Amino acid sequence: AQSVAQPEDQVNVAEGNPLTVKCTYSVSGNPYLFWYVQYPNRGLQFLLKYITGDNLVKGSYGFEAEFNKSQTSFHLKKPSALVSDSALYFCAVTPGSNDYKLSFGAGTTVTVRA
Amino acid sequence: IAGITQAPTSQILAAGRRMTLRCTQDMRHNAMYWYRQDLGLGLRLIHYSNTAGTTGKGEVPDGYSVSRANTDDFPLTLASAVPSQTSVYFCASSDTGQGVPDTQYFGPGTRLTVL
Repeated sequence: AQSVAQPEDQVNVAEGNPLTVKCTYSVSGNPYLFWYVQYPNRGLQFLLKYITGDNLVKGSYGFEAEFNKSQTSFHLKKPSALVSDSALYFCAVTPGSNDYKLSFGAGTTVTVRA
Repeated sequence: IAGITQAPTSQILAAGRRMTLRCTQDMRHNAMYWYRQDLGLGLRLIHYSNTAGTTGKGEVPDGYSVSRANTDDFPLTLASAVPSQTSVYFCASSDTGQGVPDTQYFGPGTRLTVL
C-alpha cells in the first residue's frame, strides 16, 4: 500500500524568502507524485506532477519540486514566497500503471508574512 | 467550460436521513473519485470509478455508495447518515486514456454536517 508523509503541519516564512514544503512517500514500484494547493473554502488546485524524466519539475505560480528516489522525497519549493502563497498544500502519490487512486498526505499549512 | 460541479454547496442533515451528493463533470474524463477531507487527515478516498459502469471501493467506503450510469455523473449516497460523516466532500475526475495516472481535477466541495 502506498502512503505519503508531510512531516510539518505548518510552515511559516517571510515574504521574499525561500519556501520549502516537505513530502516523503512509500510506494511499490515507480511512483507518480503530485502537489496540490487549497485556498480557504475552495477545492484543490493542481500545481505540478512527476511522472518520469527530469527529477526537477516546474509547475504553476513559480513552484517547483525535486524528485529524489534514494530519499523517497518530493519536496515542493519556491525561491521567493509571496503572501498570496499562504494556503494548504497537499502531496499525493499513486503507484502507477492501472492504479489511478491517489493517496494524500495530511497537508501542510503555509503562512507567508509580509 | 465549468469543469466539475458539485451540489449542494453545503447541507445540514439529521442523523438517519438519506442524502445524495451530486457531481457532474464536462471534461469527458474516464475516471471519477469521491474524497472526504477531515482536519489533520488530508483527503481520503471513499469510492472511485475508472470508467462508466464500473465502481470500486477506496480507503473509507463504509456507509457510502456510488453509481456511474454515464461518463459525466458520479453521485455519492449516504443511505443513513451518522455524525461521523460530517466532513467536506470533494469530487474529482481524471483522464486515464494513456493508461497512466493523469492529473485529477477537483470540484469546489460540499460541506456536510450531520446532527
